[in-house]
Amino acid sequence: GAVVSQHPSRVICKSGTSVKIECRSLDFQATTMFWYRQFPKQSLMLMATSNEGSKATYEQGVEKDKFLINHASLTLSTLTVTSAHPEDSSFYICSATDFRDWGNQPQHFGDGTRLSIL
Amino acid sequence: SQQGEEDPQALSIQEGENATMNCSYKTSINNLQWYRQNSGRGLVHLILIRSNEREKHSGRLRVTLDTSKKSSSLLITASRAADTASYFCATVNSYGKLTFGQGTILTVHP
Repeated sequence: GAVVSQHPSRVICKSGTSVKIECRSLDFQATTMFWYRQFPKQSLMLMATSNEGSKATYEQGVEKDKFLINHASLTLSTLTVTSAHPEDSSFYICSATDFRDWGNQPQHFGDGTRLSIL
Repeated sequence: SQQGEEDPQALSIQEGENATMNCSYKTSINNLQWYRQNSGRGLVHLILIRSNEREKHSGRLRVTLDTSKKSSSLLITASRAADTASYFCATVNSYGKLTFGQGTILTVHP
C-alpha cells in the first residue's frame, strides 16, 4: 500500500525556534498534501491544503505566516512552524493523495510529529 | 469546524463482542471514510464508502451509509484487544476536502 513518511517524529525545542516538518510520499505522486493539527483526545483539524507547485490554501484561523507550507515536488511537502511558542505544542499530521483519483482513493497519513515547545 | 459527530465518544467492551460506532454529518458528500488511530500515531485507512453505496465489508468490518439520514456506522465483529484504538469517520466533499468527526475511543478488554 501507499506509504507516507513524516519526519521527525518528535521535536522538543525552546520557545522562539523555527521547526520544519517533512512529509514524503514514498511510492506515489502526491499532487495534494494536507496538514492537520491534533490536540490530546481530540479530532484532527485541517490546517492547510498543499498543492504541488502552488501556494497552500489555509483554513480559517490558521496563520499563514506562522505555519509556512512548501510543496515543491510531487513527493515532498514541508511545514515550518516559525518562532514557535508553547501554545504551538501539538501533534501535527500530514496526509497525501493523488488528487487525480481522490474520489476513489483514501488519503494516506504519515505517523505524525509530536512538537513540544518549552 | 468538524462536520462529523460520532457516538459514542467512548466504548468499552469485552473481547469477542461486537462494537458499533455511529457517525452523522451535515452537508453533501462524495464519499465517507473510516480511519483508525492508535495512541500517538498517524491514521490508518479502514474503509471508503461512496455516496451511492449503502454497505461495504472488509474482513471483520462492516460500514453502512444512509445519505437520507446523513449517517454512517462502523461495525467491528468479534473484537480483539488489538482493536483498541480511536476510530474516526471523515467525509469528503466535492473538492476533495476531508472533514473528521470527533472520534470514538474503543477499548477492548481481553
